[in-house]
Amino acid sequence: QVQLVQSGGEVKKPGASVKVSCKASGYTFTSYGISWVRQAPGQGLEWLGWISGYNGNPNYAQKFQGRVTMTTDTSASTGYMELRSLRSDDTAVYYCERVKGSSGYPVGYWGQGTLVTVSS
Amino acid sequence: EIVLTQSPGTLSLSPGERATLSCRASQSVSSDYLAWYQQKPGQAPRLLIYGAFRRATGIPDRFSGSGSGTDFTLTISRLEPEDFGVYYCQQYGSSPRTFGQGTKLEIK
Repeated sequence: QVQLVQSGGEVKKPGASVKVSCKASGYTFTSYGISWVRQAPGQGLEWLGWISGYNGNPNYAQKFQGRVTMTTDTSASTGYMELRSLRSDDTAVYYCERVKGSSGYPVGYWGQGTLVTVSS
Repeated sequence: EIVLTQSPGTLSLSPGERATLSCRASQSVSSDYLAWYQQKPGQAPRLLIYGAFRRATGIPDRFSGSGSGTDFTLTISRLEPEDFGVYYCQQYGSSPRTFGQGTKLEIK
């Protein structure tokens, strides 16, 4: 069955970087992409960007351009999201979501979420 | 960026009733690339509808999506107790993809 398993929670200091992984199983990794969404405590959902599993091309939300990097390792069926220059308002649960096609449309299946806490 | 406004903010209904949730976009959503998600406390969102009206795999047929352009609706025909949660719409037709602020559905 399709599964997306994310790495464990992280505590980081302001200015540091964090890299969250999302390991996929149960499907052909290169036939789908991975989208990244975050949710601050008690807040709504915010999209960071997505990356094609086919060619590794990323598409970032402008808000995060220059601060986020999304990559894939097809040999490990894993996607990664790195966020740099962390601030306290980056504290959130970060989710990966499987997407498909050249537009990266949603097709269901999310990771369990990774809590990233930014605190001095 | 496209701003999505959901209404109402909170909906309190009894099992068996019909729920109608609205999502209005600040500009036309390209190709009707509009999705609906359900989220329960402590869980990841769950995709219900994509492409405005296409049900995701395993979603009961009591959930239906409709609308186009700037006005979209999620209808739950006969509420079940497990349908409580927060419902979000998302447009993925243009970057950045944006979410509505959510509608909280409470089951009486």
